[in-house]
Amino acid sequence: QLQLQESGPGLVKPPETLSLTCTVSGGSISSRSYYWGWIRQPPGKGLEWIGSIYYSGTTYYNLSLKSRVTISVDTSKNQFSLKLNSVTAADTAVYFCARILVGGTYWYFDLWGRGTLVTVSS
Amino acid sequence: QSVLTQPPSVSGAPGQRVTISCTGSSSNIGAGFDVHWYQQLPGTAPKLLIYVNTNRPSGVPDRFSGSKSGTSASLAITGLQAEDEADYYCQSYDSSLSGAVFGGGTKLTVL
Repeated sequence: QLQLQESGPGLVKPPETLSLTCTVSGGSISSRSYYWGWIRQPPGKGLEWIGSIYYSGTTYYNLSLKSRVTISVDTSKNQFSLKLNSVTAADTAVYFCARILVGGTYWYFDLWGRGTLVTVSS
Repeated sequence: QSVLTQPPSVSGAPGQRVTISCTGSSSNIGAGFDVHWYQQLPGTAPKLLIYVNTNRPSGVPDRFSGSKSGTSASLAITGLQAEDEADYYCQSYDSSLSGAVFGGGTKLTVL
């Protein structure tokens, strides 16, 4: 059964770079059937899509974060990563990684990691 | 402010039926993009509840159903149970934003 696990520092100082990795186990990140993505949830608030990547390296980013976000994939390690630079307190959130199914009229997140809380504070 | 609009809260007594609406626009739901629903129990990750408007993943009870019409979609829950108390999010794709968009979430309280 495929599982996703986020890892990375729980505390980041402004205006440094937030870096997280999602490790995929029980299946291959190189599957042509899926994309992979990051979603975040500030404390007490709703969900926000950050960006997505295909195993080939093709990326899609939330336009509101695009200037600060980089998502990359390492197929040899079955991992994909998130970098968000110039962070502020507004970037404090639980960060989830997820598997994505994409079709002509749909794009949805069918499996999620448990999430990791990242706090931005000096 | 979310691209998809949901009521902040709904409530119902055990055994009752509740619905949660999700209103979009001509660049997402109205453009023909499908709607998906997630259930988030307190302190846990979201879980896919309904995909492509009406489909339930394996293991999701048939008490949960989805529908879509025009620029809106709805999630219906029948036979409410205490364990249904959670936050529910709708999600679609937006062609103007070129990415996934979520509703603001609806907190379901079982009275």
